[in-house]
Amino acid sequence: EVQLVETGGGLIQPGGSLRLSCAASGFTVSSNYMSWVRQAPGKGLEWVSVIYSGGSTYYADSVKGRFTISRDNSKNTLYLQMNSLRAEDTAVYYCARGVLFARAYYMDVWGKGTTVTVSS
Amino acid sequence: SYVLTQPPSVSVAPGKTARITCGGNNIGSKSVHWYQQKPGQAPVLVIYYDSDRPSGIPERFSGSNSGNTATLTISRVEAGDEADYYCQVWDSSSDVVFGGGTKLTVL
Repeated sequence: EVQLVETGGGLIQPGGSLRLSCAASGFTVSSNYMSWVRQAPGKGLEWVSVIYSGGSTYYADSVKGRFTISRDNSKNTLYLQMNSLRAEDTAVYYCARGVLFARAYYMDVWGKGTTVTVSS
Repeated sequence: SYVLTQPPSVSVAPGKTARITCGGNNIGSKSVHWYQQKPGQAPVLVIYYDSDRPSGIPERFSGSNSGNTATLTISRVEAGDEADYYCQVWDSSSDVVFGGGTKLTVL
């Protein structure tokens, strides 16, 4: 069964760091495009970052320079290292498998999400 | 950056047809994808490449895209369709872009 399970969320003080993990099963992370998408309380979906199968990485302007996406092929796991956290980073963070083809990208498998709360 | 505009809410009676729009500059030249999100749950892909349905998604869900508007159409609406719906495109300058979401209420 194709599945994504996020872990690593929690309560963190402003300025702190946190690393989210997303363990995949049923498919290979390194052969796919993988994204992080977040949703602040009561708000819509916001794309955060993507790592292409070839290793290229891209970020939303709101997190550029603070967040880093990576993967561990041996563990078939996706990560999001979040530094210099701000209150506005408070959200549920989802990882999702993406499909990039013919100048279109969509996400066909999503995890259940992990909650990050940035507060003092 | 590219902007997608959705109505905040749409209401429809059971058995009727719901249409949720997604506006963007020349969006007809892009591929539009739609996600359904029920309260407390992760998003689920319901339409990709404007009008294709993933396996397991009922035929009642369909999509179209032309000009400056893409539309998600849900026929014979059921109570279980009540959810938030998001459109999404990939833009070479903005990467992944989501619309603000539309709350579908089944009366």
